[in-house]
Amino acid sequence: DGGITQSPKYLFRKEGQNVTLSCEQNLNHDAMYWYRQDPGQGLRLIYYSQIVNDFQKGDIAEGYSVSREKKESFPLTVTSAQKNPTAFYLCASSLISGLIETQYFGPGTRLLVL
Amino acid sequence: GENVEQHPSTLSVQEGDSAVIKCTYSDSASNYFPWYKQELGKGPQLIIDIRSNVGEKKDQRIAVTLNKTAKHFSLHITETQPEDSAVYFCAASVGSNYQLIWGAGTKLIIKP
Repeated sequence: DGGITQSPKYLFRKEGQNVTLSCEQNLNHDAMYWYRQDPGQGLRLIYYSQIVNDFQKGDIAEGYSVSREKKESFPLTVTSAQKNPTAFYLCASSLISGLIETQYFGPGTRLLVL
Repeated sequence: GENVEQHPSTLSVQEGDSAVIKCTYSDSASNYFPWYKQELGKGPQLIIDIRSNVGEKKDQRIAVTLNKTAKHFSLHITETQPEDSAVYFCAASVGSNYQLIWGAGTKLIIKP
């Protein structure tokens, strides 16, 4: 099965705790993205990466960190500095060519604060 | 900054009727416009997309139209069915770094 997997499906965070969301793809895509989705709103870009060992901040990067050590993996850490982390987090990936390519999404992780 | 406005936020149509969702974008350099369908608790799935070198694209009951002069594009769903009920998002490419700017979404309700 080809696609994007995210784990866990649900994640609970305690005050002051860092948590890491997993995203893996076997589509051989170059670019990977993390979005945050809040109720009634569109997707907002947190971080993106176009190549291994390189990534750029999106519109709402504060309180989040990422790494891209492997082409297949792009984990997102929600740090204690993110004061309102409750949201639905979506990972996506795409090819990079001369044109902008379709972004394919994983099933999402819902993060809740205890 | 660049933005995409999407209307309406909620659309209720009778089963079998047509549904139209409209988006307006601000970046005149945008050249790629995808539409995604998101079911409850799941990730968005691409249903159709269009590039700026064409004005219309169809795929069975779904079509997208693009007016570059007016900077707006629309999703048309004909002969709506109960399984079309979902939230639909439009997006537009921005800049040269493969990013998308997203609309706020339209909740489509198909009444039996």
